Amino acid sequence: DQQVKQNSPSLSVQEGRISILNCDYTNSMFDYFLWYKKYPAEGPTFLISISSIKDKNEDGRFTVFLNKSAKHLSLHIVPSQPGDSAVYFCAASDTNAGNMLTFGGGTRLMVKP
Amino acid sequence: DVKVTQSSRYLVKRTGEKVFLECVQDMDHENMFWYRQDPGLGLRLIYFSYDVKMKEKGDIPEGYSVSREKKERFSLILESASTNQTSMYLCASSATGARSGNTIYFGEGSWLTVV
Repeated sequence: DQQVKQNSPSLSVQEGRISILNCDYTNSMFDYFLWYKKYPAEGPTFLISISSIKDKNEDGRFTVFLNKSAKHLSLHIVPSQPGDSAVYFCAASDTNAGNMLTFGGGTRLMVKP
Repeated sequence: DVKVTQSSRYLVKRTGEKVFLECVQDMDHENMFWYRQDPGLGLRLIYFSYDVKMKEKGDIPEGYSVSREKKERFSLILESASTNQTSMYLCASSATGARSGNTIYFGEGSWLTVV
């Protein structure tokens, strides 16, 4: 029973356009959410996070939106660049229950030049 | 910068062999983790440790064991490797407390092929 789901295994976007990656969760106790980016043959690297007290967090070209009522978060990348091509994982945690992260299955983003 | 180092990047082992995957972190983090990554399944937690000599089972501990004799080092052991353990293994660490405790840092991964 996956508590964090990324329903799109892949996404293809033209360079310069917006990329939107989606993530849904079922555990209402999750209160902290993160996005990780992973290139082939490398470990995931932390990209951006958001606390449940916020509904938006922005860092340069990357913005994460959180809709708690829908248990949904999304990562927006604007403008998309070919170097953004990677697998993106969303992760969630219940900060009152320790440091455990639950990961989604990942979405492979391909940004075409 | 946090550095998590996995000693072996690529390994090929035979079925039934004992396999050791070593991981070292240099940020004095209390927490260390072992995940495996398989296509479509994301990152699945095998074992984690909150302190030296402490270990807790994750979601898929069967066929694995771990050792944490020193704070900076966390080892994953496959007692008798099987072909379904062919995967990419990722070690990670994190600090305890506040928001930093929920951001974990990964090593580069170890590709294990069991033949």
